Amino acid sequence: GAVVSQHPSWVICKSGTSVKIECRSLDFQATTMFWYRQFPKQSLMLMATSNEGSKATYEQGVEKDKFLINHASLTLSTLTVTSAHPEDSSFYICSAHKGGESDTQYFGPGTRLTVL
Amino acid sequence: GQNIDQPTEMTATEGAIVQINCTYQTSGFNGLFWYQQHAGEAPTFLSYNVLDGLEEKGRFSSFLSRSKGYSYLLLKELQMKDSASYLCAVKDSNYQLIWGAGTKLIIKP
Repeated sequence: GAVVSQHPSWVICKSGTSVKIECRSLDFQATTMFWYRQFPKQSLMLMATSNEGSKATYEQGVEKDKFLINHASLTLSTLTVTSAHPEDSSFYICSAHKGGESDTQYFGPGTRLTVL
Repeated sequence: GQNIDQPTEMTATEGAIVQINCTYQTSGFNGLFWYQQHAGEAPTFLSYNVLDGLEEKGRFSSFLSRSKGYSYLLLKELQMKDSASYLCAVKDSNYQLIWGAGTKLIIKP
């Protein structure tokens, strides 16, 4: 199998607070995990690539100081949205890279963040 | 630049067959993926093609022509639960996934 979990599945927070989202690969080890953001009725937008034991690689336009990524083990990556604002409200989805012939990315169920 | 094109929306009838096309222009090619995404949910993996030809998996089949930069996803015996967005993604020479905007498929009874 290739199961990826995310926690929490949804969160509502006040403007200015920080929110941490966890992404775990449950039945395989993932040296690489990806964080995406998706606004309503829009396509997936890759935010960053997270490699175990090293710094994340951020896509152009994504603030690394605002979206802190830590990939401390082969099964866990975390995304912390610091000083969240209403415009950060979105659907955040992680995926984990399972090696092998196809190197398929398997997605977590997503975290819906609402910043008031 | 890198580009993935898919129709924005398609409509089909329950029980029928629908083909969703995807054309791509990328720097290199290391495989093409199809994902299904229901509204409000994360994408789920459907298929992977790296060689030319048709890959069949139950009601779903995916075809690839590398020379034409073209793929399609074929869905047979459509069910209402197949209403979803279908995302085409290509892995480029740097093994980065380039995503299409997705095709919203509407199934009518």
